Amino acid sequence: GQNIDQPTEMTATEGAIVQINCTYQTSGFNGLFWYQQHAGEAPTFLSYNVLDGLEEKGRFSSFLSRSKGYSYLLLKELQMKDSASYLCAVQDSNYQLIWGAGTKLIIKP
Amino acid sequence: NAGVTQTPKFRVLKTGQSMTLLCAQDMNHEYMYWYRQDPGMGLRLIHYSVGEGTTAKGEVPDGYNVSRLKKQNFLLGLESAAPSQTSVYFCASSYSSGDSQPQHFGDGTRLSIL
Repeated sequence: GQNIDQPTEMTATEGAIVQINCTYQTSGFNGLFWYQQHAGEAPTFLSYNVLDGLEEKGRFSSFLSRSKGYSYLLLKELQMKDSASYLCAVQDSNYQLIWGAGTKLIIKP
Repeated sequence: NAGVTQTPKFRVLKTGQSMTLLCAQDMNHEYMYWYRQDPGMGLRLIHYSVGEGTTAKGEVPDGYNVSRLKKQNFLLGLESAAPSQTSVYFCASSYSSGDSQPQHFGDGTRLSIL
C-alpha cells in the first residue's frame, strides 16, 4: 500500500527553528510537495522536491532523500503566523498526489 | 484574481437528499480535482478531470458523480447523501499533472449530513 507518515502535532517557540519530517512508501515517485494549511482555509503550495538535496525559499527550506523515502520541511525564524498544518504529498507513478494527514504546528510566544 | 472558487461554502443536508457542489477556476488549467478532508486523514481524491469532457475515478469515488462540461467548471454531485459523506470538500486545479506543477485549491465546502 501507499503510506505517508508525518508527526500529528509539534510545538515551537517564536523566533526558533523547527523541522517537520515526512516519510513515504509509494508506488513510484515523481516528486514531493509541501503545503501549508491554516485552520479553516485552503492548502497553499510551499515547495516541491524531485531531486535529492535541499531547496531553500526564504525562511522555508525543504529536503529530500529518495533512497530513504524521507523529506523534511525546515522553518526558520518562526512567526506566530506560521501556526498552521503542514501537509506532505508525494506524486506517485501515475502522477496522483498521495497526501499525509498533516502536522499541526503550534507556535508559542 | 479569483483562482479557484467553490460554492456553497457551507451546507447541511438530510440523509437521502441530493446536491451539487460547484467549482470554477479562471487560470485556464486543464486538470481539476475533487478531494475530501476528514480529521486525522490526508486529503483523499474523489474524482478528477484531465480536460473538458473527461472525468476519472480517484481513491474514494463511491456515492459521488462529477461532470466537466466546460473547461473552467468541475461539478461534484451527491445523489443520495449519507452521514459518512460529512466532510470538508476541496476542489483544486493544476496546469498539468507532472513536473513541479502545484495544485491550487478553493476555500472548501463544509458539508454536514444529518
